[in-house]
Amino acid sequence: DIQMTQSPSSLSASVGDRVTITCRASQGISNYLAWFQQKPGKAPKSLIYAASSLQSGVPSKFSGSGSGTDFTLTISSLQPEDFATYYCQQYNSYPWTFGQGTKVEIK
Amino acid sequence: QITLKESGPTLVKPTQTLTLTCTFSGFSLSTSGVGVGWIRQPPGKALEWLALIYWDDDKRYSPSLKSRLTITKDTSKNQVVLTMTNMDPVDTATYYCAHRRGSSSSLSRYFDYWGQGTLVTVSS
Repeated sequence: DIQMTQSPSSLSASVGDRVTITCRASQGISNYLAWFQQKPGKAPKSLIYAASSLQSGVPSKFSGSGSGTDFTLTISSLQPEDFATYYCQQYNSYPWTFGQGTKVEIK
Repeated sequence: QITLKESGPTLVKPTQTLTLTCTFSGFSLSTSGVGVGWIRQPPGKALEWLALIYWDDDKRYSPSLKSRLTITKDTSKNQVVLTMTNMDPVDTATYYCAHRRGSSSSLSRYFDYWGQGTLVTVSS
């Protein structure tokens, strides 16, 4: 199985901050990486696919980059509605696997 | 507009078999490339991919749970069913179904829409 490791596991940030979350795959996955946002008690919401493509309707403050084994999710200017847990997921090979999540909290 | 909704028991006893149904709308599971998957999330923990079924009835399972899982589809009813045998308290989780895009580009074949999830508790 491909292991997905996110860092940090949690972070505290202020409204307006630029936030970057990292996801590392245990082996190369090309660009077969998606990012999801999950708020408490809610289902995950798709943000980015193919490492850097924005899901329709997702604001452009979210961006993704990377290829191979190292990927990042960046939120350009954190807003109150962005405080949530973020997960990366590889769909390069079965079994599809998720990172352990990064919780973004209010400082 | 694509929607999915999970249904099934909220409480099962240890050793019982869990049967969950995903009822969807806004797409057809007979369309080339389309799939429906199941993912679970124990309380306070991360997401775990379980299984995926495709338009052509190809099925994929998590190796760690493969012996306990069965995924099937009923295209005429727009439903996908997941069964998990020999339930244990560690299987307590919210279970989600999700739509996998059937794009011509393989990079675009990811989970784009999710159901609201259903919490299943395993307890005697």
